[in-house]
Amino acid sequence: DAKTTQPNSMESNEEEPVHLPCNHSTISGTDYIHWYRQLPSQGPEYVIHGLTSNVNNRMASLAIAEDRKSSTLILHRATLRDAAVYYCIRYYPAGKDMRFGAGTRLTVKP
Amino acid sequence: DAGVTQSPTHLIKTRGQQVTLRCSPKSGHDTVSWYQQALGQGPQFIFQYYEEEERQRGNFPDRFSGHQFPNYSSELNVNALLLGDSALYLCASSLGLAGGPYEQYFGPGTRLTVT
Repeated sequence: DAKTTQPNSMESNEEEPVHLPCNHSTISGTDYIHWYRQLPSQGPEYVIHGLTSNVNNRMASLAIAEDRKSSTLILHRATLRDAAVYYCIRYYPAGKDMRFGAGTRLTVKP
Repeated sequence: DAGVTQSPTHLIKTRGQQVTLRCSPKSGHDTVSWYQQALGQGPQFIFQYYEEEERQRGNFPDRFSGHQFPNYSSELNVNALLLGDSALYLCASSLGLAGGPYEQYFGPGTRLTVT
């Protein structure tokens, strides 16, 4: 299957780090890993992407396993505004399309 | 920068009718993708347009068709509407098809209800 595997839901406390896991055991060498999130009543929002190395940006960090069969999105300090559905996606450069799974619903408790 | 805009916001149609949804990409973007998102599910890729041609297509029937205009805006047409076509239709824009993992910017979507 071309899609990734994520837990259905996770909970976090505000201002604590959050680690969102993703399995992509059948990933090929040229597939990128993208993360998007979708807040209620909005379209998905780009978070971060990577190929082999760990990546950081202002929103989050992406840790990719050495064998590339899994990755983890890290939110360093969760806020109430981070409550959303987070999608881990394999991006196929050849196909130019993204295949979304059901994602992980993150709940942030104050 | 207005970002990706879509119209209309909501739409109610009757089974068997036809519908056209519209999308204006983010300024500077030349590639438009369309997605269907059923309630409680992730977005499903319909197709992608670049240089006014359909470049990639997901697993959707021919009832779903599209068009891209010279100004890069796009339309999604759905014929012979079925109840199962009720969903949020998302438009996303990005830059180019050069093989890079370009991030996509999504619009707020059009909520289509088929009765």
